[in-house]
Amino acid sequence: EVQLAESGGGLVQPGGSLRLSCAASGFIFSDSWMTWVRQAPGKGLEWVANINEDGSDKYYLGSVKGRFTISRDNAKNSLYLQMNSVTTDDTAVYYCAKDALTANYPHWGQGTLVTVSS
Amino acid sequence: DIVMTQSPLSLPVTPGEPASISCRSSQSLLHRNGNNYLDWYLQKPGQSPQLLIYLGSNRASGVPDRFSGSGSGTYFTLEISRVEAEDVGVYYCMESLQTPKTFGQGTRLEIK
Repeated sequence: EVQLAESGGGLVQPGGSLRLSCAASGFIFSDSWMTWVRQAPGKGLEWVANINEDGSDKYYLGSVKGRFTISRDNAKNSLYLQMNSVTTDDTAVYYCAKDALTANYPHWGQGTLVTVSS
Repeated sequence: DIVMTQSPLSLPVTPGEPASISCRSSQSLLHRNGNNYLDWYLQKPGQSPQLLIYLGSNRASGVPDRFSGSGSGTYFTLEISRVEAEDVGVYYCMESLQTPKTFGQGTRLEIK
């Protein structure tokens, strides 16, 4: 059974940094693209970033490019999102998701809440 | 980026009645391979999103057959043949053709 478990969320001040993690199990992690999606409180879903199987290709939402970095450690079956220079607009629940070959997301984690506030 | 527009944004439905949600994209989602890269997700209250339909019309594993997807190019529809109480939540369409992938605003289905 595919399982994804995010961690690392919390309260951070504007301009600060935070690193999110996603522990994966139940599938061959190194064979799968992985994605981060976020959801601001009471709002809709927003795709943030994705990364290919070996970490050599990365893509970002325009508003986070240059501030966020997606990475992975296939030896640890883990996905990461380094968030720098955060603003209040980055307040959201962050989900990690496993990409299917058909480019959609059949598996999601439970999410971790990031709150940016002074 | 592709803009996804859903309607309606709120959908009150009587149990046992059908329901329909539409989704329009600002660009065609039809790939030269013949697939439409349009997916539907349901986010039930307090839960993570779950995949319902992928590539426009394919039900994901475990999804009841009362859910169906149709459409091509820039116009797509999600239909529920007979709404049940457990179908309450927010439905999102998502284009999976380009990066960044974009979602519709969401349609909140509630039981009358």
